[in-house]
Amino acid sequence: ELKVEQNPLFLSMQEGKNYTIYCNYSTTSDRLYWYRQDPGKSLESLFVLLSNGAVKQEGRLMASLDTKARLSTLHITAAVHDLSATYFCAVRWGGSEKLVFGKGTKLTVNP
Amino acid sequence: GAGVSQSPSNKVTEKGKDVELRCDPISGHTALYWYRQRLGQGLEFLIYFQGNSAPDKSGLPSDRFSAERTGESVSTLTIQRTQQEDSAVYLCASSLQSGAPGLGYFYEQYFGPGTRLTVT
Repeated sequence: ELKVEQNPLFLSMQEGKNYTIYCNYSTTSDRLYWYRQDPGKSLESLFVLLSNGAVKQEGRLMASLDTKARLSTLHITAAVHDLSATYFCAVRWGGSEKLVFGKGTKLTVNP
Repeated sequence: GAGVSQSPSNKVTEKGKDVELRCDPISGHTALYWYRQRLGQGLEFLIYFQGNSAPDKSGLPSDRFSAERTGESVSTLTIQRTQQEDSAVYLCASSLQSGAPGLGYFYEQYFGPGTRLTVT
């Protein structure tokens, strides 16, 4: 069974600082997603990573994938308050369409 | 066009009652997915449809849960004899198709706003 672990689960940081969220998964997959969820809202897709070494950047967020280590990172650069949300990684499991999600990282960016 | 819609947005029901949750996917999306999100948790996969058939029902937690899809459009998730542990947000997503359309390509899942179910 595929397991997806994120850490940290809670992250409080100051504006302007950098930090990284980690996502480890237990078995081979061909697709890794990062989503953002604001309180009471649905999920917003941030990145889809398809291959080893893939790196994608959007604004202050950058995601990377190491399929050999089964590790993805979401790096936050010079955080701003608007980035406060819960961030989930999700991995497609084998040949199915099932996405297995991590428990999420609740990010709070303080002024 | 419009995104994925779900109804009702909130549902409070008494333990033991049946509930039906509805999902309207994006027009033209043949794949449809149901997930459950318990408070403070990630999403749990329940079931997915390709067209009107359900190739993967492995996430349905018990035989009290069932889902159907008609006309490659609307889907209904039914929970019979609800229990308090069924309280969660139920999210629906749709995508153009399922599977891998080719190396380096994917079909993105678009999520609806969810139905918050509270069983008292």
